[in-house]
Amino acid sequence: AQTVTQSQPEMSVQEAETVTLSCTYDTSENNYYLFWYKQPPSRQMILVIRQEAYKQQNATENRFSVNFQKAAKSFSLKISDSQLGDTAMYFCAFPGGGTSYGKLTFGQGTILTVHP
Amino acid sequence: SQTIHQWPATLVQPVGSPLSLECTVEGTSNPNLYWYRQAAGRGLQLLFYSVGIGQISSEVPQNLSASRPQDRQFILSSKKLLLSDSGFYLCAWSLGLAGARGRELFFGEGSRLTVL
Repeated sequence: AQTVTQSQPEMSVQEAETVTLSCTYDTSENNYYLFWYKQPPSRQMILVIRQEAYKQQNATENRFSVNFQKAAKSFSLKISDSQLGDTAMYFCAFPGGGTSYGKLTFGQGTILTVHP
Repeated sequence: SQTIHQWPATLVQPVGSPLSLECTVEGTSNPNLYWYRQAAGRGLQLLFYSVGIGQISSEVPQNLSASRPQDRQFILSSKKLLLSDSGFYLCAWSLGLAGARGRELFFGEGSRLTVL
């Protein structure tokens, strides 16, 4: 089975500091996309960043970047200059059924708290 | 622009009562539609997905069912609720296969169901 694992149930960081959230996955496919989603306390889930496995360059979106290690099947999210609004649950997601199935499999999530 | 609406936002139901959660997408045609459940503020479990009117795929055998009577309407139902049905239900849509070619899922605001 293709799975996604987030090993950090909770993390905290001081405002303006950097934090890294971990994610590992398992797949037999060669090309695919990986996603990080954010679920703020208001609950609406939004996409933070996506990474194509075929590209070696790590994706970056403003203060959010990924460290993608394809051989290790690792996909971590780095948040720089953390802000109070970054407090949320973060989910790593992956097409766990294969890209032909159109379904995303989500990790268990990491609750991130940014302290002032 | 595309929007997704989900209702009701909060529902408290007794064991054995029926359930109907509705989800509607606006601003797009022929979306793929999904129902996820998030139990106890943790990971997301895919319950159902649909690639077209009347086409429903079930991921987990359970007390729930889904229907898609119209192109942009997705309904989650139960004839008799169980205590274990409590949770946070998220409707989502994608244009094409979610995950393939980087296609993301767009989520509704969720419906919190408490079964007493």
